[in-house]
Amino acid sequence: QQQVKQSPQSLIVQKGGISIINCAYENTAFDYFPWYQQFPGKGPALLIAIRPDVSEKKEGRFTISFNKSAKQFSLHIMDSQPGDSATYFCAAGGNNAGNMLTFGGGTRLMVKP
Amino acid sequence: DTGVSQDPRHKITKRGQNVTFRCDPISEHNRLYWYRQTLGQGPEFLTYFQNEAQLEKSRLLSDRFSAERPKGSFSTLEIQRTEQGDSAMYLCASSSNTQGGETQYFGPGTRLLVL
Repeated sequence: QQQVKQSPQSLIVQKGGISIINCAYENTAFDYFPWYQQFPGKGPALLIAIRPDVSEKKEGRFTISFNKSAKQFSLHIMDSQPGDSATYFCAAGGNNAGNMLTFGGGTRLMVKP
Repeated sequence: DTGVSQDPRHKITKRGQNVTFRCDPISEHNRLYWYRQTLGQGPEFLTYFQNEAQLEKSRLLSDRFSAERPKGSFSTLEIQRTEQGDSAMYLCASSSNTQGGETQYFGPGTRLLVL
């Protein structure tokens, strides 16, 4: 049962462009929504996270937009760079959801120079 | 760097053998999690500990999987009678419930190949 749906599965963006990845969740008990970046052969690294009491959070070139009523959230990467080429995972969790993270299926991002 | 560490990083075994993986969390973190990640998929939760107590284990994939955290520090994940379908990356993460609890930091993973 996939509780977090992520799209697109793959994304190609030109250097300097905006990368947008979307996620939707079902479980209303989720109250913590992190994004992770993973390079081949490495563990996921936390990028940015948001809680449902805010609609947007920005850290450097990374912004999360959150729509609680639609149960959707998205990651925007501004001024995308070739070094951003990696797989990105959204996740959902929180103390009300058993403290486990439920991950989306991942988006493989390629930023072309 | 005092991040999450895992050992070994790679393990090749024959079907039917038992394997054990170790995870050392960030030193001040009292929560420790195990996930499995198959190729092209997101990590899948297996189990977690708060200190030495295993608070959730219903997601362990079968009774061949078990985990321990005897002194509330490092943890081990054991797979008995391995099958080819167990081939995956096994990830460990840790968090501190004194710092918002939900933020999980992952280790580099142990990649298991069952021949």
